[in-house]
Amino acid sequence: GQNIDQPTEMTATEGAIVQINCTYQTSGFNGLFWYQQHAGEAPTFLSYNVLDGLEEKGRFSSFLSRSKGYSYLLLKELQMKDSASYLCAVRDPPDSWGKLQFGAGTQVVVTP
Amino acid sequence: KAGVTQTPRYLIKTRGQQVTLSCSPISGHRSVSWYQQTPGQGLQFLFEYFSETQRNKGNFPGRFSGRQFSNSRSEMNVSTLELGDSALYLCASTGTAGMGYEQYFGPGTRLTVT
Repeated sequence: GQNIDQPTEMTATEGAIVQINCTYQTSGFNGLFWYQQHAGEAPTFLSYNVLDGLEEKGRFSSFLSRSKGYSYLLLKELQMKDSASYLCAVRDPPDSWGKLQFGAGTQVVVTP
Repeated sequence: KAGVTQTPRYLIKTRGQQVTLSCSPISGHRSVSWYQQTPGQGLQFLFEYFSETQRNKGNFPGRFSGRQFSNSRSEMNVSTLELGDSALYLCASTGTAGMGYEQYFGPGTRLTVT
């Protein structure tokens, strides 16, 4: 199984940068996902990391270190619409591409 | 390209009844997963289907079942509904080799059991 930890809540100001950390303890590993979920809606795919390093997609970047069991999601130039829950999820190996284990989510509050 | 679709979007049922939810994956995706999301337990994996076969199952009672059809569309069924089954049920489809292994969610079905 997996143990996935992320902070419960983070608050930041519009225009600022926020970094959401995620640590995981697994017997195996086959990729890490980040999703954004607004209240009452379904999760929206943000990123998928399999290899170590940083991947940048516009204002959002995701980093992975497999040796440390660590990932972070970086949100730059925060906007009010970025207020949401951010979910870290790890893919459970080895025989299933469709099974993800999720952390509890980090609620990001963006203030004016 | 159309995303993952789920029907119905909202459902109200009474304890003891059964319910069937439907999911159509992204075109070309053959893996369909189902999750339950509640405020107390978060997002929990129910099961995954690939090529009409259940490939993985989460820790849910046998009242929760599913199936997948030859066109990759999937259904999940919950029998003998309990109040605790009230939740957002999410379907997700996953690409395979050549399509990337990213997983995308449908809009969900919000089930309320009274």
